[in-house]
Amino acid sequence: QMQLQESGPGLVRPSQTLFLTCSVSSGSISSGGYFWTWIRQSAGKGPEWIGRILPSGDTNYNPSLRSRSFISMDTSKNQFSLSLTSVTAADTAVYYCAARVAGRPFDHWGQGTLVTVSS
Amino acid sequence: EIGLTQSPGTLSLSPGERATLSCRASQTFSGEFLAWYQQKPGQAPRVLIYGVSNRAAGVPDRFSGGGSGTDFTLTISRLEPEDFAVYYCQHYDKSPLPFGGGSRVEMK
Repeated sequence: QMQLQESGPGLVRPSQTLFLTCSVSSGSISSGGYFWTWIRQSAGKGPEWIGRILPSGDTNYNPSLRSRSFISMDTSKNQFSLSLTSVTAADTAVYYCAARVAGRPFDHWGQGTLVTVSS
Repeated sequence: EIGLTQSPGTLSLSPGERATLSCRASQTFSGEFLAWYQQKPGQAPRVLIYGVSNRAAGVPDRFSGGGSGTDFTLTISRLEPEDFAVYYCQHYDKSPLPFGGGSRVEMK
């Protein structure tokens, strides 16, 4: 059973860069047909898809965040990461890493990590 | 870009009652890439329904999904205590893979 675990700082200063990592157990992120994805959820709101990376390294981002987002992968550590630059208080949210395959919704989620943007 | 609007925002019901939740898309989309998730406090969303009407593994048959075009529903035939939660719909075909704003089912 695939497991995903987010890690990273819980507090980020305004205008700085948020950096999170997702560790994947059970299976290699460089093989298979999974879409390795970042999703965030602000308090009281629905989830928001940030973007995804494929095993090939191809990425796709939410247009609303494209200019500030970067997703990468480290196959040697079986991890993928999110960088979000120039953060503001509006980026305060629970950030989830998740995985799905084509034609399926998100069957696999991490537990989520709360990131607060504050000085 | 497709938007999803869920209603009602909150539904107050008692155990044993029937819950009907609505998800309306801003435009018709091809295929049946509409899913429903359940989320409890402090937990990640969990898939209940995919492909409009298919139950995910382990989901009780009191949960059912339906609809077509731009209007979709999630029905819980008889609420159990563990069903009081927030429910989200999602279109998962074309990015940015939007989610609805959620419907909370609370105990009356």
